[in-house]
Amino acid sequence: EDQVTQSPEALRLQEGESSSLNCSYTVSGLRGLFWYRQDPGKGPEFLFTLYSAGEEKEKERLKATLTKKESFLHITAPKPEDSATYLCAVQERGGTASKLTFGTGTRLQVTL
Amino acid sequence: DTGVSQDPRHKITKRGQNVTFRCDPISEHNRLYWYRQTLGQGPEFLTYFQNEAQLEKSRLLSDRFSAERPKGSFSTLEIQRTEQGDSAMYLCASSLQTDTGYGYTFGSGTRLTVV
Repeated sequence: EDQVTQSPEALRLQEGESSSLNCSYTVSGLRGLFWYRQDPGKGPEFLFTLYSAGEEKEKERLKATLTKKESFLHITAPKPEDSATYLCAVQERGGTASKLTFGTGTRLQVTL
Repeated sequence: DTGVSQDPRHKITKRGQNVTFRCDPISEHNRLYWYRQTLGQGPEFLTYFQNEAQLEKSRLLSDRFSAERPKGSFSTLEIQRTEQGDSAMYLCASSLQTDTGYGYTFGSGTRLTVV
């Protein structure tokens, strides 16, 4: 069974203080690893898809990287508007495996 | 197109009552998914449709739950004889069959509270 573990559970940063969120995964064959952002009371918002080890993607202050066992979401010089829960999910290759298996998320708070 | 729409946004019901939620996906998306999310947890897969066919159901989806997508457009999720453990956010998402790499587009969810 696919497993996704995210750490830390919660992270408090000061504005401008860079850090990284971790997503460790176990899947029999990885089709894709997804990062989402979720604000309170809203559905997850898509950020990135990574497909193979060594791949990197960037969007504004966020950069996602992927190895064979984990992914990192690097946040450079965060701003208060980056405060949200960041979810990682994996999609297994093959069959009717269209579903995503999510981790429990990292709650990020960025203060002034 | 304004994205994935879910209705209602909030629902409070008494234990034992039936409830039905509606999801309108992005019009050109032929895949539709239902997920459930409880506080502090990530979304958990319930079921998915490709067009009008329900192709996969999670074992989380007990026989009190039923989902339909009658014409391959909107979908409904019904919970019969609700229990307090059904209290959660029910999320709908849609995507294109071809892998665009953009993942799913989620709606804002329906928050169910069973009292």
